[in-house]
Amino acid sequence: KAGVTQTPRYLIKTRGQQVTLSCSPISGHRSVSWYQQTPGQGLQFLFEYFSETQRNKGNFPGRFSGRQFSNSRSEMNVSTLELGDSALYLCASSLAGGPGETQYFGPGTRLLVL
Amino acid sequence: GENVEQHPSTLSVQEGDSAVIKCTYSDSASNYFPWYKQELGKGPQLIIDIRSNVGEKKDQRIAVTLNKTAKHFSLHITETQPEDSAVYFCAATIQGAQKLVFGQGTRLTINP
Repeated sequence: KAGVTQTPRYLIKTRGQQVTLSCSPISGHRSVSWYQQTPGQGLQFLFEYFSETQRNKGNFPGRFSGRQFSNSRSEMNVSTLELGDSALYLCASSLAGGPGETQYFGPGTRLLVL
Repeated sequence: GENVEQHPSTLSVQEGDSAVIKCTYSDSASNYFPWYKQELGKGPQLIIDIRSNVGEKKDQRIAVTLNKTAKHFSLHITETQPEDSAVYFCAATIQGAQKLVFGQGTRLTINP
């Protein structure tokens, strides 16, 4: 089975721009979670989607949003980019997002905001 | 909210020796504790996990122990090899939530 794929792998943007990142979960997985990884804050949960609905949300400003499509693929969007948004954005998928289900991570999208 | 503390932040051991990484969590409702290994340029990869109804779990050279009373869990790697060098993260999640709360990570270096 193919793993979690994320596109693009690298992005460079300037402050004020917006960006859209894409995630394709493992085939059959319906839950997709997004995490932000930075050297200072570590790995932080952004949000989780299941059946096209956001089920959980982390403590990030409204500039961070996401959506999930009927084929379980997910996108996250960051509007009005700030320098502090530079990070590795990781997507993880699991079967149904149930308690204790293993989350499988993709390789991430590295975003640099100049 | 849940908080996970991980120690040490860096760990250097001789090849063949054992390595131990420790984590504590704050929310007594936490019931699932995975460990991830992250290599340079890659996403975290699950190496072992434990649930709150189990005290210890082993998988070849890797073991995890959980003390619910003290709210801490540990990763043990025996007979370390150079390919064990990576950053290791512990995490915790509570029932009903898919959100993983991660520790700050441990950079493990295996010296040949």
